[in-house]
Formats: sequence, C-alpha cells, structure tokens
Amino acid sequence: GAGVSQSPSNKVTEKGKDVELRCDPISGHTALYWYRQSLGQGLEFLIYFQGNSAPDKSGLPSDRFSAERTGGSVSTLTIQRTQQEDSAVYLCASSLAHNGGNTIYFGEGSWLTVV
Amino acid sequence: AQRVTQPEKLLSVFKGAPVELKCNYSYSGSPELFWYVQYSRQRLQLLLRHISRESIKGFTADLNKGETSFHLKKPFAQEEDSAMYYCALTTGANNLFFGTGTRLTVIP
Repeated sequence: GAGVSQSPSNKVTEKGKDVELRCDPISGHTALYWYRQSLGQGLEFLIYFQGNSAPDKSGLPSDRFSAERTGGSVSTLTIQRTQQEDSAVYLCASSLAHNGGNTIYFGEGSWLTVV
Repeated sequence: AQRVTQPEKLLSVFKGAPVELKCNYSYSGSPELFWYVQYSRQRLQLLLRHISRESIKGFTADLNKGETSFHLKKPFAQEEDSAMYYCALTTGANNLFFGTGTRLTVIP
C-alpha cells in the first residue's frame, strides 16, 4: 500500500473488555514498531518487530499487552482486560530495516477510548 | 540509558518572528537525532535528521555534542508551521526514542 495502514481508526470499549488493533506496514518493510501517544506523555515505545520476531518487548506496560506479527507483514496489538488508563492513540510505524539510518513511516493511529 | 527532553510543552510565537524548539538528549555514545512533526489531522512524519545537514521548510537543527542539544530553529515563523514537534534519538541498534513533544502555535 501507499502507507502504513491501521484499523480501527477509532475504538470505544468498555473497561475489562479485550481489544485488537491492526497494523498493515508498507510493503517490503521488515521493521515494524508500535508506539502509544497519550496527552502530556509524548510518544511511548511499546514494541518492535524485525520480521516476525520481537527482540525488544521492554516497552509493553503490562502483561495485558501483547503483540504478534505474522508473515513478516501485518501486526496486531492486543490489550486484554482494558483499563481507563489504556485510553490513548496507538501508532504503528514501519521502516525498511531496523537501522537508525532508515526513515520510519507512521500510520494515522488507532484512537482507543476505554469507558 | 538514552533520554530525550523537550522542556517546552507549548510555544507560541508571532508570524515572522524567529522560533526555537529546544531538545536536549542524554546518551553516552554517538546518537543520531531527528525532528518529527505532526500537523493537524495528519500523521507523524519526519521533518529532518542531523546527518543530512539540510534545511526543510526553512527549519534547521544543529547537533551540539558539548551541550547535548539538537534545537530546531527557523528565522521567520509561518502560520503553517503550527504543529506538534517531536525530537527523537536513535542509537543505531536501538529504537527511536521520542521526547514529550512541543506544540508550536504561530499567531497571525
């Protein structure tokens, strides 16, 4: 596709429910990143994938958060038993490879509201 | 550990005035630094990177290793510069670490 695609663009869910957020990276990009953007918190790194493997999961805020990537392409971020503090914009990004020299391209984000 | 600090959450300047968005970093090695920008209702995008030494949309940023700073500057602000600006750092082998961002408002 032309850019990083994320769905849903908006999600309202009840506290305690599980949610899945999807990211479709730019074709050919092997590196994929998830960030969380909260008011006043800036951009918080969650996890990155190189191919299908996730060498760095250090940013996941709790064990309620998990992510997977299959076929070196689409990734899903799952939040179990959502809490109100999970409300944020979840941004996905991709780059040609996990290398500081490559530009990272962002999706438009999935706005999650937990009520 | 690496860290990026943007001390100003909000910055307002008048059109035509100079603007400087501050960014300081901490990292013991040689980082690569970036500025990303998010205009209203648009996705986050790369503005410039220090290794390119280029000027984008009139903005420049110089890496000052002595002061560990990478401030973003523009001599004459325009209304279309109003946006959220993020300073970011990568150590090459690691991920892109972002500051908390500065919202710039250019007053007509």
